[in-house]
Amino acid sequence: GQNIDQPTEMTATEGAIVQINCTYQTSGFNGLFWYQQHAGEAPTFLSYNVLDGLEEKGRFSSFLSRSKGYSYLLLKELQMKDSASYLCAALNAGNNRKLIWGLGTSLAVNP
Amino acid sequence: EAGVAQSPRYKIIEKRQSVAFWCNPISGHATLYWYQQILGQGPKLLIQFQNNGVVDDSQLPKDRFSAERLKGVDSTLKIQPAKLEDSAVYLCASSSDRGWYEQYFGPGTRLTVT
Repeated sequence: GQNIDQPTEMTATEGAIVQINCTYQTSGFNGLFWYQQHAGEAPTFLSYNVLDGLEEKGRFSSFLSRSKGYSYLLLKELQMKDSASYLCAALNAGNNRKLIWGLGTSLAVNP
Repeated sequence: EAGVAQSPRYKIIEKRQSVAFWCNPISGHATLYWYQQILGQGPKLLIQFQNNGVVDDSQLPKDRFSAERLKGVDSTLKIQPAKLEDSAVYLCASSSDRGWYEQYFGPGTRLTVT
């Protein structure tokens, strides 16, 4: 079957570091997306990992291990505006290039 | 580059009424997606178009939902008749056939069925 698991909620403090984990099981896996979604808004792209390893982009980094079916999103120097839902999605690169979405992790950043 | 456009942004209807949503994808994007997102959940794919052909509609409740993309550009999603459980945000996204297949989302339509 195809499945994405990520924690439902996380809480962190402003200025701290938080890691949001995602595990996946999907056939035809071809990469892992992370999207950010603020309340009442559409998801916006954060990162895409297709190879194993860490991709760093400013305060946000994303890691992928294809052999373990595991990814994480690392947020450094947390700001209040980082309070949002973080969605993990696995790309199935078969005929339709379908994204398998997780339920999202709601992150609350407290002062 | 203009983003994905959707209208209306908000809609309130009574159950058993019909409603239609419109989406205009990013210019040149061949693939268009309609998602349903219930509060606190991830997006659920309803239908995926490649140009004007349907690639995946396995989760579309075909007894009440329909969608079309006649000229391979704009798309409409219709619900007839609506049920209370259809209350959700309906997101349209588009992606290019090249590169990472990153999906770009429109602002969504928040539907409330009373």
